[in-house]
Amino acid sequence: GAGVSQSPSNKVTEKGKDVELRCDPISGHTALYWYRQSLGQGLEFLIYFQGNSAPDKSGLPSDRFSAERTGGSVSTLTIQRTQQEDSAVYLCASSLTSGGAHETQYFGPGTRLLVL
Amino acid sequence: AQSVSQHNHHVILSEAASLELGCNYSYGGTVNLFWYVQYPGQHLQLLLKYFSGDPLVKGIKGFEAEFIKSKFSFNLRKPSVQWSDTAEYFCAVRAYNNNDMRFGAGTRLTVKP
Repeated sequence: GAGVSQSPSNKVTEKGKDVELRCDPISGHTALYWYRQSLGQGLEFLIYFQGNSAPDKSGLPSDRFSAERTGGSVSTLTIQRTQQEDSAVYLCASSLTSGGAHETQYFGPGTRLLVL
Repeated sequence: AQSVSQHNHHVILSEAASLELGCNYSYGGTVNLFWYVQYPGQHLQLLLKYFSGDPLVKGIKGFEAEFIKSKFSFNLRKPSVQWSDTAEYFCAVRAYNNNDMRFGAGTRLTVKP
């Protein structure tokens, strides 16, 4: 079956521009996560959506970052006024449930963002 | 908040050698522990996980990990590696009932044929 998909796969933008990154989770998965992976570093949690509950935004690094999830499915991560330090791979993951022994996060291929 | 450290950035082994990748975390409460693997050109995928019960967890492809609570460790092991195990390995920890999953910086494993 289809896995998690993300678009675009690569994005080059100029400093100060806004970018939108898209994530299509696996159908039926209620939980969705965004992570950021900078060069040589581990994944950094950004935001979490679970069903219709208010998202957990505790990992967003600044107010330039925002995300929404429409209809409990597709999610968009928006970065406003991009900075060079925003350059990273942005990963999306979804899971059927959240928490508990049965949770397994399935990751997408990521969007590689380069801010010039 | 919890944090994760992986001791080795790059490990190079010959086929049939034994593997142990270190992972330590800092958090005093109940945790869920994971190892993820990313093969070249592929997505991150779950290798194994620990939630409760037997601290020795077996995963796919002959991998296992042991949770040692007193040492705050969750080391990954495999008795005999293969060339196809060449990949990047990430340890992750999540505080129980917390959404924030913390990942280590990863260990790149290269297995020479």
